[in-house]
Amino acid sequence: EPEVTQTPSHQVTQMGQEVILRCVPISNHLYFYWYRQILGQKVEFLVSFYNNEISEKSEIFDDQFSVERPDGSNFTLKIRSTKLEDSAMYFCADRDYPYNEQFFGPGTRLTVL
Amino acid sequence: AQSVAQPEDQVNVAEGNPLTVKCTYSVSGNPYLFWYVQYPNRGLQFLLKYITGDNLVKGSYGFEAEFNKSQTSFHLKKPSALVSDSALYFCAVRDDGNKLVFGAGTILRVKS
Repeated sequence: EPEVTQTPSHQVTQMGQEVILRCVPISNHLYFYWYRQILGQKVEFLVSFYNNEISEKSEIFDDQFSVERPDGSNFTLKIRSTKLEDSAMYFCADRDYPYNEQFFGPGTRLTVL
Repeated sequence: AQSVAQPEDQVNVAEGNPLTVKCTYSVSGNPYLFWYVQYPNRGLQFLLKYITGDNLVKGSYGFEAEFNKSQTSFHLKKPSALVSDSALYFCAVRDDGNKLVFGAGTILRVKS
């Protein structure tokens, strides 16, 4: 069964450094999302992406964040200058039209030191 | 704005007993409701959804959920719990922009 995959599984970085989190959605799915989960807290929406454009973004998704679909398979989340409070589990998800359920990847644990 | 509440941080149940994990929602319009399960160090796995139709929806691993419009609830149920069901369960509602809004999660512990 096809799955959403994410790399790396764990990323450790220094505050102020740039990180790129990568996701490979399920082939032919059209809608893409990033969520994050700070340890012990609920899963929070960051951004949605469709047709090579951001559809919606949350207040968390400020100018330090960007998303890109550089080719037909990858979907990336970039944080330009990481802060301590960016430490979290980041989940990529996708959705197939016309269905409503989203399928999540295993997550990337980002640790900012 | 859409929201969900999971009133229990943790639910404990003995193996073989029925389990219920509670969820209530607040939406404008028709609710699109979901349950996801998260095992340690894993992503969220889709269990089931309610969009329209029968109030009792069946999902993966023997789980089902009952949609109750008058009580604005969408409780997750299973007739006979397994130790392997122990995990973190999230209720979610789809927002207008198709993003999911999650509850805080409920830890389910099934003891043998």
